[in-house]
Amino acid sequence: ILNVEQSPQSLHVQEGDSTNFTCSFPSSNFYALHWYRWETAKSPEALFVMTLNGDEKKKGRISATLNTKEGYSYLYIKGSQPEDSATYLCAFGSNYGGSQGNLIFGKGTKLSVKP
Amino acid sequence: NAGVTQTPKFQVLKTGQSMTLQCAQDMNHEYMSWYRQDPGMGLRLIHYSVGAGITDQGEVPNGYNVSRSTTEDFPLRLLSAAPSQTSVYFCASSYSSLGDTEAFFGQGTRLTVV
Repeated sequence: ILNVEQSPQSLHVQEGDSTNFTCSFPSSNFYALHWYRWETAKSPEALFVMTLNGDEKKKGRISATLNTKEGYSYLYIKGSQPEDSATYLCAFGSNYGGSQGNLIFGKGTKLSVKP
Repeated sequence: NAGVTQTPKFQVLKTGQSMTLQCAQDMNHEYMSWYRQDPGMGLRLIHYSVGAGITDQGEVPNGYNVSRSTTEDFPLRLLSAAPSQTSVYFCASSYSSLGDTEAFFGQGTRLTVV
């Protein structure tokens, strides 16, 4: 069974702090790595989809990097704001076995940003 | 621009009852899926479909049925509800069935089985 690990499980920061989370995934049979932002009482929303080793993507103050050879991705938030408070999910897509469209999700990192 | 529409938002069932969770997308997406979210666990795949007429099992399919008669609709049926099926359910769709395009999620259904 393929496993996706996210760390830390939760994080409390002050407004203005920069922070980062880690997603670890199997380095073999890699196809894609997704990051989602999930606010309480809402649905997960996509931040990034990355497919190439060395990919770096940026959306405003949020950026992500990908290392497929060692099986990890980092999500960075620069100058955290209270509205960044959410759970951040990563999901791994493999090209092994049945439908490679199936994503395996980590348990998420819950970020709380205090004003 | 509806995206993925999932109904109902909340449901309480008695053990043994059956029900259908509805999911529809208007983006002409090829791939559709159902997940369940339980405390302390990641989203787990129940069933998925790579196109109309094609469905397959995910990680936790027992007790659930799906069908995909049209590209737009992907209902999830609980055959005989059990307390272990108390969970939050999400329907999702994506353009590609290869996993390299973002997933769009419905608003979720909070199901309680008593």
